Amino acid sequence: AQSVTQPDIHITVSEGASLELRCNYSYGATPYLFWYVQSPGQGLQLLLKYFSGDTLVQGIKGFEAEFKRSQSSFNLRKPSVHWSDAAEYFCAVGKSNDYKLSFGAGTTVTVRA
Amino acid sequence: NAGVTQTPKFQVLKTGQSMTLQCAQDMNHNSMYWYRQDPGMGLRLIYYSASEGTTDKGEVPNGYNVSRLNKREFSLRLESAAPSQTSVYFCATAGGTSSYNEQFFGPGTRLTVL
Repeated sequence: AQSVTQPDIHITVSEGASLELRCNYSYGATPYLFWYVQSPGQGLQLLLKYFSGDTLVQGIKGFEAEFKRSQSSFNLRKPSVHWSDAAEYFCAVGKSNDYKLSFGAGTTVTVRA
Repeated sequence: NAGVTQTPKFQVLKTGQSMTLQCAQDMNHNSMYWYRQDPGMGLRLIYYSASEGTTDKGEVPNGYNVSRLNKREFSLRLESAAPSQTSVYFCATAGGTSSYNEQFFGPGTRLTVL
């Protein structure tokens, strides 16, 4: 079965600074990879996804992620964070012919002024 | 289009009481899912329905039952609530014409069991 590890439980970043959230997955074949964001009291919103092709994917809200097969990673980045980026971020992995996803435990991002 | 809707938004139960959480989607998706979210544990799959007429256990099914009423609706039932079932419950759907693994989430139901 596939699994996801998000090593950082909580990250604090200054407004305007860059942000990188780590995600490592365990899966033998080419995975389907996702990043979701959850604002306080809200449901999950898809930021971006990787299925195949270009390993650098662009998402909404200025986020991007890079798939590195050799490192089994799919790290999320944003060059300059805004206060509205304070939220919890979840990495998820799926596989072809299987509709289920496995989620990481999440990383909470705090943005300080 | 409303997307994925869940009712109720909040619920407080006493131990031993029963209740049903409702989920409906207007996205014409085949697959539907129920998750629970607890601090530090991410989302854990309770039950899912790959298509109308089928349901399967996920990672944490004990204490729950589900019904896939039709293509649009997927309900989660707690027959005898326990404090360990205090959580936020999310319904999700998947199965559009492309990116079928991508899941779309409802706003959640916050459940407290006293």
